[in-house]
Amino acid sequence: SQQGEEDPQALSIQEGENATMNCSYKTSINNLQWYRQNSGRGLVHLILIRSNEREKHSGRLRVTLDTSKKSSSLLITASRAADTASYFCATDAGGAQKLVFGQGTRLTINP
Amino acid sequence: DTAVSQTPKYLVTQMGNDKSIKCEQNLGHDTMYWYKQDSKKFLKIMFSYNNKELIINETVPNRFSPKSPDKAHLNLHINSLELGDSAVYFCASSDGTEGWETQYFGPGTRLLVL
Repeated sequence: SQQGEEDPQALSIQEGENATMNCSYKTSINNLQWYRQNSGRGLVHLILIRSNEREKHSGRLRVTLDTSKKSSSLLITASRAADTASYFCATDAGGAQKLVFGQGTRLTINP
Repeated sequence: DTAVSQTPKYLVTQMGNDKSIKCEQNLGHDTMYWYKQDSKKFLKIMFSYNNKELIINETVPNRFSPKSPDKAHLNLHINSLELGDSAVYFCASSDGTEGWETQYFGPGTRLLVL
């Protein structure tokens, strides 16, 4: 069964605005990861946050993790047209030897 | 240099045919994976291999058979292709054996079964 669920499924904003995507999951985790997929390409790892971390930054990306609510958010600040892509969260689903991906948020940045 | 490469990039074939997709990684990783992404972008693991040994087989029909000749290669052979096999297949690799480390994906193979 699907572990992560992203919200919203699609998001369209103006260039320069901030974009926030959310991910909810069902079981305990060791870590949660965010990936980006540009149209017609493979997934690219963005950031990994461990279960004992609450916030992590990487450039214009900020990820938060709330294990009590089993949720995470990805914030992209000062969005650019090149940020247009699908964003996926992935978790290990309670220590299973695999990553389980959500269905992704499709982000469109309008110039 | 491409870290994880797959061939072919596109594959169009008739129902009932047998086809193979090849994957190679030059990252020195121990673990490799095959994923299937359907038309709704849902990405699901099919297999994982660690150093040529099968770790995960996610209730995939036995028409799908992975083969790992060495730890840098993981190929996927599909027998008797069906319409429902149409999807994008991604190979990935990771450093470590837990299965939930950071994964590096190939560009994907777009399979269309007619």
